[in-house]
Formats: sequence, structure tokens, C-alpha cells
Amino acid sequence: SQTIHQWPATLVQPVGSPLSLECTVEGTSNPNLYWYRQAAGRGLQLLFYSVGIGQISSEVPQNLSASRPQDRQFILSSKKLLLSDSGFYLCAWSGTVLSGNTIYFGEGSWLTVV
Amino acid sequence: GENVEQHPSTLSVQEGDSAVIKCTYSDSASNYFPWYKQELGKRPQLIIDIRSNVGEKKDQRIAVTLNKTAKHFSLHITETQPEDSAVYFCAASTGANSKLTFGKGITLSVRP
Repeated sequence: SQTIHQWPATLVQPVGSPLSLECTVEGTSNPNLYWYRQAAGRGLQLLFYSVGIGQISSEVPQNLSASRPQDRQFILSSKKLLLSDSGFYLCAWSGTVLSGNTIYFGEGSWLTVV
Repeated sequence: GENVEQHPSTLSVQEGDSAVIKCTYSDSASNYFPWYKQELGKRPQLIIDIRSNVGEKKDQRIAVTLNKTAKHFSLHITETQPEDSAVYFCAASTGANSKLTFGKGITLSVRP
């Protein structure tokens, strides 16, 4: 069966520091991969999605970036964090159209920028 | 692009009563409609989904109905229990790239 792992689970970072969140998927090939952000008590904001290695689409302008160095690995980065970057970050994956459009979320990473 | 709206934004029901959460979508090409439940501090998890070739789907106490003509779909929870308290997200997708558009979420509170 497919599983998705995301880390770290929580982190507290000072303003201006770098960020790296990592996500890996197991049990499937060529998944679509996503990064979402959820501010406290708010909805799900799609940040990036990827349909293949090196293929990244950005949904909103921001100081975050994403990379997909391997088929099942998705990384969210920032060179300099802002206070407004605080939130709950969720990695997710979905299969091909033939296997359905269902998105499955990782357990999330709580980021607090201080 | 697709726009998904949820109504109401909060809903409070008495334990044992039914709850209905409605979503509307804008893109008539959308053909996949999942519902996610997010408990406090946890990830959203799929609870039920429906495709455009089906009008209704049921799984124990939860059901989803789809009205393609009116472009809305609804989540029905019967015999609500306190553990049903959570944020519920609806979503819609037109298919090929699997990118879902989510509604803003509804907070359901079940009063014991």
C-alpha cells in the first residue's frame, strides 16, 4: 500500500532563517505531489504541485520554493522565513487519472516563525 | 478556474440529529467530488467521494449526493456523534491533472 512521510513534524524558526521540509511517498510510481499550507483556523491553500521530476508549478507568489529531485521526493524550501510563513504545511500525493484523483495527505509539519 | 463554495461556514447540531453540508462548484466539467474530515491538529482525511456518473453514494452513517444540473453536492451525516465534530472540506476536480479545488471548510460541532 502507499504511504506518505513528511518531516519534521514541528519546528520553530527565527525570522530570516532558512527552511526545508521534506516529503517522500512509498508504494507508487510517478505520483502527482503537492504542498499545501493551512493558517490557523483557515482553509487549505495550494502552494506547489508537481506532475514529474523537475516539474514544479507554483500557485501563489511567495518566498517559498519547491523541488522534486526524485520521483517520490518533494521538498519545500525558503531562504529567509517571514512571520507570515507560520502555519501547518501538508504534503500530499495523488495517483494517475486511472487510479482516481483522490489526494492523500501527509501528517503535516507545524511551522512557527518567531 | 474552478470555484468551490461551502455553506454554512459553521454548523452545530445535537447528538443524534442529522447534519447536511452543501457545496457548490462552478466548472461544469468537474467530475470528481471528495469530502475530507480534519480533526483538530491532524491532517485532512478522505471520508467519502463521488464521481459524476453517480447521483448518490452511501457509507454507513455518511452519504454524498450530487446534482450536476444545479452544480452542487452535499454531505449527509446521520445519527451524529461527538466524534463527528471536525472541519469538513469539500473539493472538486476536472480530472486529468488531479488538482483538486477545495472549499474553505465547515466546522461541525456535535453537542452531547
